[in-house]
Amino acid sequence: DVKVTQSSRYLVKRTGEKVFLECVQDMDHENMFWYRQDPGLGLRLIYFSYDVKMKEKGDIPEGYSVSREKKERFSLILESASTNQTSMYLCASSFTGSTGELFFGEGSRLTVL
Amino acid sequence: GNSVTQMEGPVTLSEEAFLTINCTYTATGYPSLFWYVQYPGEGLQLLLKATKADDKGSNKGFEATYRKETTSFHLEKGSVQVSDSAVYFCAHMNYGGSQGNLIFGKGTKLSVKP
Repeated sequence: DVKVTQSSRYLVKRTGEKVFLECVQDMDHENMFWYRQDPGLGLRLIYFSYDVKMKEKGDIPEGYSVSREKKERFSLILESASTNQTSMYLCASSFTGSTGELFFGEGSRLTVL
Repeated sequence: GNSVTQMEGPVTLSEEAFLTINCTYTATGYPSLFWYVQYPGEGLQLLLKATKADDKGSNKGFEATYRKETTSFHLEKGSVQVSDSAVYFCAHMNYGGSQGNLIFGKGTKLSVKP
């Protein structure tokens, strides 16, 4: 079975802390994505990467950065967490040239106090 | 710009009722269309897809037909079960953006009562 694994299901952090969310996929996919999911807003793309060390901004990159040092791993970084970053974060991956199927992890629910 | 509009929920149905969740899209060209499902406490998973006009995607009793003339991809199921309770997302490939990215609707929560 294909698998996208997010390192933490639930995190509680304090305002101003640096937060790392890790995502690993075992399918040798080129593309990886970070979305955030909020009630009434659906999924919004934060950042994506189509190759190692490559990254592109999505729709809401402010307050976030990413790292992709290895093909299978894509990290989302909150340099200084704020309460408005309390959300569900979803990682996904896909093959380049696929018909668009994304494979998602189970999500990381982050609460910033 | 590219977008997906789907009916707002929540939708509450009794078991064995007929389900329709409407989805329309705005896009450049003729993108592939998708329905994803998110069961409680889980990530999203692909339910079905259609890659060209008039294609019908189907899976687990759900169906959706790619209607180019109405830019729609409505999800239907003839007889829902309690286990279908989930959030359903319509999406299309974002050809205007970078490769592989999908544009999602806001999601429709379905609750099925026994």
